[in-house]
Amino acid sequence: GQNIDQPTEMTATEGAIVQINCTYQTSGFNGLFWYQQHAGEAPTFLSYNVLDGLEEKGRFSSFLSRSKGYSYLLLKELQMKDSASYLCASMDSNYQLIWGAGTKLIIKP
Amino acid sequence: GAVVSQHPSRVICKSGTSVKIECRSLDFQATTMFWYRQFPKQSLMLMATSNEGSKATYEQGVEKDKFLINHASLTLSTLTVTSAHPEDSSFYICSARGWVTGGANEQFFGPGTRLTVL
Repeated sequence: GQNIDQPTEMTATEGAIVQINCTYQTSGFNGLFWYQQHAGEAPTFLSYNVLDGLEEKGRFSSFLSRSKGYSYLLLKELQMKDSASYLCASMDSNYQLIWGAGTKLIIKP
Repeated sequence: GAVVSQHPSRVICKSGTSVKIECRSLDFQATTMFWYRQFPKQSLMLMATSNEGSKATYEQGVEKDKFLINHASLTLSTLTVTSAHPEDSSFYICSARGWVTGGANEQFFGPGTRLTVL
C-alpha cells in the first residue's frame, strides 16, 4: 500500500534549527514535495526533490534519499512565523500526490 | 510563482441547497486540476482529479453525483456540492498543475473555500 509517515508535532526555539523527517512508500515515484500550511489556509509550496541530495532555498532545505524512501525538511534560523504544519507528499506513478498527515511545528520564543 | 484563485473564500448555506466553488489558474494553463477536502486537524484528502475537457476521476468513497466537477477550460474548474448537508461542512481546496515559466510542471494550490452548512 501507499504510506507517508511524519511526526505529528515538533517544538523548537526561535533562532534554532529543526529537521522534520518523512518516510514514504508509494506505487512508483515522481518526486517528493514539502508544503507549509498555516491554520485555516491552503498549503503553499516549499520544495520539490526528485533526485537524491540536498536542495537549498534560503532558510529552508530539503533532502531526499530514494533508496531509503526518506526525506527531510530543514528549517534554519527559525522565526515565529514558521509556526505551521509542514506536509510531506510523494507523487506516485500516476502523478498523484500522496499526502502525509502533516507535522505541526511549534516555535517558542 | 503561479497563482490559483478560488471563489468564494467562505460560504454559509442552508441544508439542501447547492453550492458552486470556482477555481482558476491565473497565469498558466492547468492541464490537470485537483479538488481536495480537509476536515479540522486532518490531512488533505483528494476528492477528484480532472483533465480539461474530460470527466473527472473520483476517489473511492466520493459521490460523483453529489460533488459535480466541471473542467471546462485550461484555466477554470468548478466544484458543485449538491444538496449540501452539515456533514459536508469542510475546507475545500483546489489545486492546478501545469507547465509554468521556466519549464517546470508544478502544482499550485488555491486559497481554499470554507463551507459551512447549517
